[in-house]
Amino acid sequence: EVQLVESGGGLVQPGRSLKLSCAASGFTFSNYYMAWVRQAPTKGLEWVASITNSGGSTYYRDSVKGRFTISRDNAKSTLYLQMDSLRSEDTATYYCTPPFGGAYWGQGTLVTVSS
Amino acid sequence: DVVMTQTPVSLSLAIGQPASISCKSSQSLLGTSGKTFLNWILQRPGQSPKRLIYQVSKLYSEVPDRFSGSGSETEFTLKISRVEAEDLGVYYCWQGTHFPLTFGSGTKLEIK
Repeated sequence: EVQLVESGGGLVQPGRSLKLSCAASGFTFSNYYMAWVRQAPTKGLEWVASITNSGGSTYYRDSVKGRFTISRDNAKSTLYLQMDSLRSEDTATYYCTPPFGGAYWGQGTLVTVSS
Repeated sequence: DVVMTQTPVSLSLAIGQPASISCKSSQSLLGTSGKTFLNWILQRPGQSPKRLIYQVSKLYSEVPDRFSGSGSETEFTLKISRVEAEDLGVYYCWQGTHFPLTFGSGTKLEIK
């Protein structure tokens, strides 16, 4: 059974940092391009960042470029999102997904940026 | 970025009725590979999204065959032949042909 378990969310003040993790199981993680997608409260879905299967290439939406870093550890089947200089508009539930590799979704982890 | 426009914004249907949701993209989603990366997902209330359809019309194994997808280039449709209670939620189309991935704004299906 495929599982994606996101963790690391919480309440954080503006300007601070947070690191999200996504533990994958049930599929060959190292074979797949992975992405983080977020959903602000009561809003739609928004792509945040992607990484190739080897980790050699990364991609970001403009609003997080220079502040967020996506990475992966294929030996641990885990995806990460380091979020620095957080802003109130980053408040959302963050999901990890292999968009072209089965498109599974985890339960998400809620990040709330507020003073 | 490719803009994905979904209509209608909401649907209210009785169990057993058919449903149809449109998704239009601002650019052709036919990729250089010859594949069209137009996908559908369903988010039930209080839950994370669930996969439904990939590459326009291919159902994931666990998806009931009352769901179907069709379309090409810039116009796509998700159909449910007979709505069931478990189908309520928000349906999103999303494209993976062009960078960045973009999502439609969603269609909310309510059960009368």
